[in-house]
Amino acid sequence: AQSVTQPDIHITVSEGASLELRCNYSYGATPYLFWYVQSPGQGLQLLLKYFSGDTLVQGIKGFEAEFKRSQSSFNLRKPSVHWSDAAEYFCAVGAVGGGSNYKLTFGKGTLLTVNP
Amino acid sequence: NAGVMQNPRHLVRRRGQEARLRCSPMKGHSHVYWYRQLPEEGLKFMVYLQKENIIDESGMPKERFSAEFPKEGPSILRIQQVVRGDSAAYFCATRQGTMRFTEAFFGQGTRLTVV
Repeated sequence: AQSVTQPDIHITVSEGASLELRCNYSYGATPYLFWYVQSPGQGLQLLLKYFSGDTLVQGIKGFEAEFKRSQSSFNLRKPSVHWSDAAEYFCAVGAVGGGSNYKLTFGKGTLLTVNP
Repeated sequence: NAGVMQNPRHLVRRRGQEARLRCSPMKGHSHVYWYRQLPEEGLKFMVYLQKENIIDESGMPKERFSAEFPKEGPSILRIQQVVRGDSAAYFCATRQGTMRFTEAFFGQGTRLTVV
């Protein structure tokens, strides 16, 4: 069964600083990988996804993530954080279960605080 | 094209009552996932449904919880005889039922409070 680990529960950065959120996955085959963001009291919004091809993927709001198969990682990065990026970030892995069915498994999330 | 709609957004139930949470998928989406979110615990998978079928219910508690996704109408997550421990945010996500892998889109969630 697949699993996702986000080692950092809470990260604090200053506005304008760079950001990297870590994500490690466990899955026997090539995974489908996602990053979602959740603002307080809201649902989850998809930031970016990796299905295949280029291992560096670009997402919305200036985020990018890099798939590293050798490290089973899919870390999220942003060169300069804005105060509005404060939110909780979830990494997820999709596992194909046959046909058009698949299961989406989430990490426990990383809460990002941005200091002015 | 409206997004994934969940209602109600907030639901308060007394212990022992029933809670019904509804999820209307985006147009063209035939797969629905339900997740429960507790503080500091992330999103826990509950159940995965396709139209009229339960594909995977490995995350559903064995008692009091049930889910359906009828041919017509929204998907329903039903919790009978609620207890305080059921208080949580419940999210549904939906996706297209294509052979090609597609991402899932989330609703705003239903926040259930059991008093």
